[in-house]
Amino acid sequence: DQQVKQNSPSLSVQEGRISILNCDYTNSMFDYFLWYKKYPAEGPTFLISISSIKDKNEDGRFTVFLNKSAKHLSLHIVPSQPGDSAVYFCAASAGFSSGAGSYQLTFGKGTKLSVIP
Amino acid sequence: EAQVTQNPRYLITVTGKKLTVTCSQNMNHEYMSWYRQDPGLGLRQIYYSMNVEVTDKGDVPEGYKVSRKEKRNFPLILESPSPNQTSLYFCASSLSIRTGAYYGYTFGSGTRLTVV
Repeated sequence: DQQVKQNSPSLSVQEGRISILNCDYTNSMFDYFLWYKKYPAEGPTFLISISSIKDKNEDGRFTVFLNKSAKHLSLHIVPSQPGDSAVYFCAASAGFSSGAGSYQLTFGKGTKLSVIP
Repeated sequence: EAQVTQNPRYLITVTGKKLTVTCSQNMNHEYMSWYRQDPGLGLRQIYYSMNVEVTDKGDVPEGYKVSRKEKRNFPLILESPSPNQTSLYFCASSLSIRTGAYYGYTFGSGTRLTVV
């Protein structure tokens, strides 16, 4: 039973345009969400996060939006650059709100973003 | 430099030949974890460790063993590797499981294992 779903295995975007990567979750206990970026031959690196008390978090060109009622989050990259081409993983954990969760990260399957020059 | 170091980076082995993939971190992290990445399946947790001598199963522990005798090291042991364990393996660590949930884990560069 997949609790964190990234339904698009791949996405191609022109350089300079917006990239939108989507993530859905089914576990209503999840209350903290992270995005990781992974280049080939490297380990994933932390990109940006959001807690359930927010609906938006920005960091430069990267913005994450959270819609709790829909159990959906998205990562926006504006403008997209060729160096953004990578696999992006969505991850979720429980415990932020209650302090009693497992805090274990559950990862989605990833979306491969290709930014075309 | 703060890092998680995995060795080897690449390994080809034969079915049934015991192997160990090492993982070491220099950040005094309490929490360490092993993942495997497979096409279409994403990152799946194999085992994790909350601290020295404290380990527990993740989602896909079958065929694997781990140990945590020292804080910095968390080796992954395949006693009798099989072809279905051909995968890309990542070790990860964080100060604690809680800080990892908020600030993310530090991942190693990965070990590409092929079992023939």
